[in-house]
Amino acid sequence: EAGVAQSPRYKIIEKRQSVAFWCNPISGHATLYWYQQILGQGPKLLIQFQNNGVVDDSQLPKDRFSAERLKGVDSTLKIQPAKLEDSAVYLCASSLALSGNTIYFGEGSWLTVV
Amino acid sequence: GESVGLHLPTLSVQEGDNSIINCAYSNSASDYFIWYKQESGKGPQFIIDIRSNMDKRQGQRVTVLLNKTVKHLSLQIAATQPGDSAVYFCAESLPGQNFVFGPGTRLSVLP
Repeated sequence: EAGVAQSPRYKIIEKRQSVAFWCNPISGHATLYWYQQILGQGPKLLIQFQNNGVVDDSQLPKDRFSAERLKGVDSTLKIQPAKLEDSAVYLCASSLALSGNTIYFGEGSWLTVV
Repeated sequence: GESVGLHLPTLSVQEGDNSIINCAYSNSASDYFIWYKQESGKGPQFIIDIRSNMDKRQGQRVTVLLNKTVKHLSLQIAATQPGDSAVYFCAESLPGQNFVFGPGTRLSVLP
């Protein structure tokens, strides 16, 4: 079974530029998550989708971050404009259902803002 | 300046010894717990899970123990190998809620 796919794996941008990350979850997984992981810390949830609807985006900095999952499968996370403190790994994850299910992670997209 | 968050708790063990990684969770109502392993440059990988109606669960070379009285979770790795070197995270979730991840523990396996 294919895992969670993410691209690009690495990205370096200058502050105030924009960047987009793509995620394809495990086939059949209705719930998709985007996490931010700063070096040396645990993952922090940014946004959670159930199919194509947003379930939880309470920790998403909406002035600069946006995410969509228009057809309920793939998802894109965008940052515009980027700040230095956005340097982190952006992890996409998926699970079968909303809660009480194991979350499976992708390899992450590593962002450096200079 | 100081890099807050880079000073992960570290556990160093000799190859072949058993490892015990501990996690204090925050909410007594949490009912589902997962241990993840994260190797350098990779995403977190599921190791083992346990629900609150259990005290112990065993996998291949790994055992998770749950002590609800003191809100403590531990991961035991038997016969630790060099490939076990990684950062280990515990995650807890309340019923119907998302997972919250702990800060992580770095396991270093010494030859």
